[in-house]
Amino acid sequence: DSQMTQSPSSLSASVGDRVTITCRTSQTITTYLNWYQQKPGKAPKLLIYAASSLESGVPSRFSGSGSGTDFTLTINSLQPEDFATYYCQQTFSTPFTFGGGTKVEIK
Amino acid sequence: QVQLVESGGGVVQPGRSLRLSCAASGFTFSRHGMHWVRQAPGKGLEWVALIWYDGSNKYYADSVEGRFTISRDSSKNTLYLQMDSLRAEDTAVYYCAREHKDFIATSAFDYWGLGTLVTVSS
Repeated sequence: DSQMTQSPSSLSASVGDRVTITCRTSQTITTYLNWYQQKPGKAPKLLIYAASSLESGVPSRFSGSGSGTDFTLTINSLQPEDFATYYCQQTFSTPFTFGGGTKVEIK
Repeated sequence: QVQLVESGGGVVQPGRSLRLSCAASGFTFSRHGMHWVRQAPGKGLEWVALIWYDGSNKYYADSVEGRFTISRDSSKNTLYLQMDSLRAEDTAVYYCAREHKDFIATSAFDYWGLGTLVTVSS
């Protein structure tokens, strides 16, 4: 199974900041890496698929990069509605594992 | 618009069974693989099971293999999760989710239901 190590597990940031979250996998997954945003009490929302493709309707301040085993989610100019928990996920092979999550809090 | 609505959750004793349903609408159900994902209280996301668009292949997390069964009825546009031999550690919100790309099972999960809570407790 491909283990997903997401970091940091939490961070504090201010509106307007640039935020970077990383995800490392224990096996190469080419670009089968997705990013989700989850707010309390809500279902996850797909942000980025295939490592760097922006899902329809998602603001362009979100971007993803990486391939192989190392991936990054970047949020440029953090907005109030971006405070949430973010998860990476690999869909290279089953089980489709998720990272442990990164909680983005207001500084 | 795409909608996924889960039902069937509740409180159940350890060792008992429960069947979850996910009613799909707003898209051609028979073209998309479907998943179940769960989230224990205060914890992260855990993928549970996948069924291909045509039902021909099914895959499970090790934690539920042999106890849970995923199925679908395209005539009813409904996804199911039969959960047997339930344990306390199965307590979670269970979400159904749709494969992003049709006829593929390794893309991303683009639509999710609101979830249904399963509590396993004596």
